[in-house]
Amino acid sequence: DAKTTQPPSMDCAEGRAANLPCNHSTISGNEYVYWYRQIHSQGPQYIIHGLKNNETNEMASLIITEDRKSSTLILPHATLRDTAVYYCIVRVGFWGGNTGKLIFGQGTTLQVKP
Amino acid sequence: DAGVIQSPRHEVTEMGQEVTLRCKPISGHDYLFWYRQTMMRGLELLIYFNNNVPIDDSGMPEDRFSAKMPNASFSTLKIQPSEPRDSAVYFCASSLGGGQQFFGPGTRLTVL
Repeated sequence: DAKTTQPPSMDCAEGRAANLPCNHSTISGNEYVYWYRQIHSQGPQYIIHGLKNNETNEMASLIITEDRKSSTLILPHATLRDTAVYYCIVRVGFWGGNTGKLIFGQGTTLQVKP
Repeated sequence: DAGVIQSPRHEVTEMGQEVTLRCKPISGHDYLFWYRQTMMRGLELLIYFNNNVPIDDSGMPEDRFSAKMPNASFSTLKIQPSEPRDSAVYFCASSLGGGQQFFGPGTRLTVL
């Protein structure tokens, strides 16, 4: 699986959009970009994933560059409850033979401030 | 849906004792994962099962660790004998196919 690089920490004002970057320059054509977050003392929580098209769900938007070497997770209106560690993970899709392993890096600690 | 259930939530034991952590995956899920999280090493995958069969145990640190999944609704992670360096939060997760993984609340293990 390709390695990802994320800034160790970021701040965001409450109510503003939080944009979390991730570099994955060695990503392969069959690898997906996944985002999870971990709120203090809880288990990681799935946010969103994508292959090459931008994706949006009720939690966030995922913007993947055309060359797929980087992506940005967008929380459109950050709240204090969004304070967490955000993990960007690259892995092969299930039908690519991968059996579901997630390899977590150090992630980005997002601090949402009032 | 109750989500992934883990027990106990907290465990304090003495070095040399046997520790058993338990996990009940989400009903219908066919993959089950055990992770360990420490400050030093972050979140690491220990082992995972597909349809109750262990698929990859390459993350299990040593022979003191063992995991079983006797049926689709129950799994255990056992440490025997336990050591202080095993102190960590242990998470269980389950998924349907290779899809998103749902994590339990974790078991915080302290080995004195």
